[in-house]
Amino acid sequence: NAGVTQTPKFQVLKTGQSMTLQCAQDMNHEYMSWYRQDPGMGLRLIHYSVGAGITDQGEVPNGYNVSRSTTEDFPLRLLSAAPSQTSVYFCASWGQLEAFFGQGTRLTVV
Amino acid sequence: AQSVTQLGSHVSVSEGALVLLRCNYSSSVPPYLFWYVQYPNQGLQLLLKYTTGATLVKGINGFEAEFKKSETSFHLTKPSAHMSDAAEYFCAVSENYGQNFVFGPGTRLSVLP
Repeated sequence: NAGVTQTPKFQVLKTGQSMTLQCAQDMNHEYMSWYRQDPGMGLRLIHYSVGAGITDQGEVPNGYNVSRSTTEDFPLRLLSAAPSQTSVYFCASWGQLEAFFGQGTRLTVV
Repeated sequence: AQSVTQLGSHVSVSEGALVLLRCNYSSSVPPYLFWYVQYPNQGLQLLLKYTTGATLVKGINGFEAEFKKSETSFHLTKPSAHMSDAAEYFCAVSENYGQNFVFGPGTRLSVLP
């Protein structure tokens, strides 16, 4: 039982490049979400999904896309990276009134 | 709308001293409340949660928190700090059965020898 797995752990992008952050969970949770963590701001919700085929925007969705084709996977796409997207990204899934977090992806956009 | 404030972005205590990390929330409905801990370069780990029932909640590693509705608070305490407690602590609130968490800005705890 791996829990929530995020890849990659580290990534450097040039402004304008695109990439996908991967997130997979093996707990059969319906609810998954993406957060970004910035110093002094806690974790802010980017997008979330309440089940396969259903996604919605969170607090800071601009510049990010998501899809949920399976219960297990919830990838986050940066279409055209900007320096303001430099952050640590966490994926989480929910079950039993508890959020399970991945180890994070540290993204730097130069 | 939900919101969370954590008083003090950085708290330092001596080893063996009381740890008190403050959390206040706003919520239009009875909330679910959580404390998470983040060690360096790690994800977040649940310390404890309040859902219903007893307002004093015990968590892992000797931490506990008390839900005080009249004060809209959920402060985290530990009687005696240990060096291994040094980490960042996040309070979070949810109005929707554990979904759509809103996190506070975090408090970094340093433990001095």
